[in-house]
This record gives sequence, structure tokens and C-alpha cells, in this order.
Amino acid sequence: DVKVTQSSRYLVKRTGEKVFLECVQDMDHENMFWYRQDPGLGLRLIYFSYDVKMKEKGDIPEGYSVSREKKERFSLILESASTNQTSMYLCASSPPGRGIGYEQYFGPGTRLTVT
Amino acid sequence: GENVEQHPSTLSVQEGDSAVIKCTYSDSASNYFPWYKQELGKGPQLIIDIRSNVGEKKDQRIAVTLNKTAKHFSLHITETQPEDSAVYFCAARGSSASKIIFGSGTRLSIRP
Repeated sequence: DVKVTQSSRYLVKRTGEKVFLECVQDMDHENMFWYRQDPGLGLRLIYFSYDVKMKEKGDIPEGYSVSREKKERFSLILESASTNQTSMYLCASSPPGRGIGYEQYFGPGTRLTVT
Repeated sequence: GENVEQHPSTLSVQEGDSAVIKCTYSDSASNYFPWYKQELGKGPQLIIDIRSNVGEKKDQRIAVTLNKTAKHFSLHITETQPEDSAVYFCAARGSSASKIIFGSGTRLSIRP
């Protein structure tokens, strides 16, 4: 079974702190994604990556950056955390292919609170 | 831009009854429509998907229908059970094959 793990289930940070959220997948997937989940808004894509050292902006990249130094690891970085970044953050991975449809495998999520 | 609307936001049904969740999409080029189930404390998990060349797909108690003309697709769960209680997300792959657009989610509760 594909396993996607996230470094923390719960995280509390102060405004202005630099925050790192780590995600690791064990199925050699090329594609990795970071989403945030907010009530009534569903899942919104922050960034995604097709390969090592490659990244593309999603729908809401402002205030975030990412790093993909190894194939299995995709990190989300909040350069200066703000209260409006309090949310559930979900990491996902999927096998390669830009053709029609592929399943995304999600981690359990990190609930981040910025005070 | 690309958009997926999902209704209802909450749904409560008696155990054994059927549940229907409906979604509409804006991008007529969308060609792949997955449904994800998110149980409490877990990440979403794919439960069924449908491609644009198919009108209906079934998997045991779950079925999905697609109306390309109307740009509607729906999830049908029959003979609901307590373990069906979860948040369900519809999604559509847009003209950009690189990402999926998710609906806002439906919280389904099964009453005993």
C-alpha cells in the first residue's frame, strides 16, 4: 500500500515564525502536491511538483514556498506565518503520467494553528 | 476559471436509505471525475472515479453518473451503513491535466 506521511498531526506556531511542513511518500511517485483544507472551501492546491527540484504554483501559492530535494520528500514552507494560514494542510502523491486521470494518495494532514 | 460546485454541504439519512451528492463543473474540457471519502482524522481516499467517455459506473453500493451535456455528475450510495459517515469530495480534472479541482465537500451522517 502507498503510504504518505506528514511530520506532524498538530502544530501551533506564532505569527511571524517560519514553519516547515514535511511530507514523505514511499511509492516512488513522481508527483507530489500540497493542499489546504478549510470548511466550505474544499481542498485548494498550494503547490505541486512533477520531479525533484521542480515546482509549480497551484491556485493559492501566496505566502508559501516549497522544496523538493529528494523524490520521496516534499516540504511546504511558510516564510512568515500569519493567522490566516491557520488551516488543515494535506500532502498527496500520485504516479507519473499527464494523461487521463490518476489517483492521488493523501497523508493524514497537519492541523496548523497560528496564534 | 475552473470551478466545481458541490451540493448539499451536509446530508443526514436513515441507515439503509440512499444518499445522493451532486456536483457541477465549469470546464467543458474536463475528462476525469474522481470522488474522495475523508473519514475523521484521515486524509481523503479515492472511492470511485469516472471518465468522460462513460455515463455510469458502479462498485457495489456506490455508483457515479455523468451528464456531460449538463456538466453534472453525482454520487449515489445505496443501503447506507454507519461506516458511510464521512466527508465526501467530488473533483474534476480540468483542461490542465496537471491538477484536479475539488468541490467544497459534503458531510454525510447516517442515522441509526
